[in-house]
Amino acid sequence: DAMVIQNPRYQVTQFGKPVTLSCSQTLNHNVMYWYQQKSSQAPKLLFHYYDKDFNNEADTPDNFQSRRPNTSFCFLDIRSPGLGDAAMYLCATSRGGTGGETQYFGPGTRLLVL
Amino acid sequence: AQSVTQPDIHITVSEGASLELRCNYSYGATPYLFWYVQSPGQGLQLLLKYFSGDTLVQGIKGFEAEFKRSQSSFNLRKPSVHWSDAAEYFCAVVPPGGAQKLVFGQGTRLTINP
Repeated sequence: DAMVIQNPRYQVTQFGKPVTLSCSQTLNHNVMYWYQQKSSQAPKLLFHYYDKDFNNEADTPDNFQSRRPNTSFCFLDIRSPGLGDAAMYLCATSRGGTGGETQYFGPGTRLLVL
Repeated sequence: AQSVTQPDIHITVSEGASLELRCNYSYGATPYLFWYVQSPGQGLQLLLKYFSGDTLVQGIKGFEAEFKRSQSSFNLRKPSVHWSDAAEYFCAVVPPGGAQKLVFGQGTRLTINP
């Protein structure tokens, strides 16, 4: 089945220790997104890639970076995690286009910062 | 301000009862409209979406939603809920001209009483 895969499902890191979260997709979609979702809150878009074009949200901290080496994979790098970065991180994909395309979400990676 | 509002943070219904979850938006033009469901610790799954045409939209798992332009609303309904419907429900929009950006409401947590 075509899908969005996130690894790992749970990640524990130490305060200030860089961490990378992974997302892959078999849908061959053009757009890949990263969302941050804190407890009992809505997902918040951090950034997205449309093909190789990176689109950062204005309020995304510089501590968060992303890489998309090819169509299938996208990574979220947190350079120096703080306690406030503990959250669920959701990856999503869509075909792209003029707008309104459905976004397909992965199961998420829950990040714990000690 | 442009936004998506889900007025009910938490709703409790009995199994077998009918359900309606409210969603209102405030944009100059009609956005693309979506309802997603999120089970605990999981990613988001699309229930249904509205772009244009018939204002009553059928989705998966027996859900439907009705778009009412005059009320700027897109309420989600189910005639008879099942215990497995307990989850968080998010209304989301792609704003006019928003291309790839999905804006979420605050979410409504649904609890089912046996």
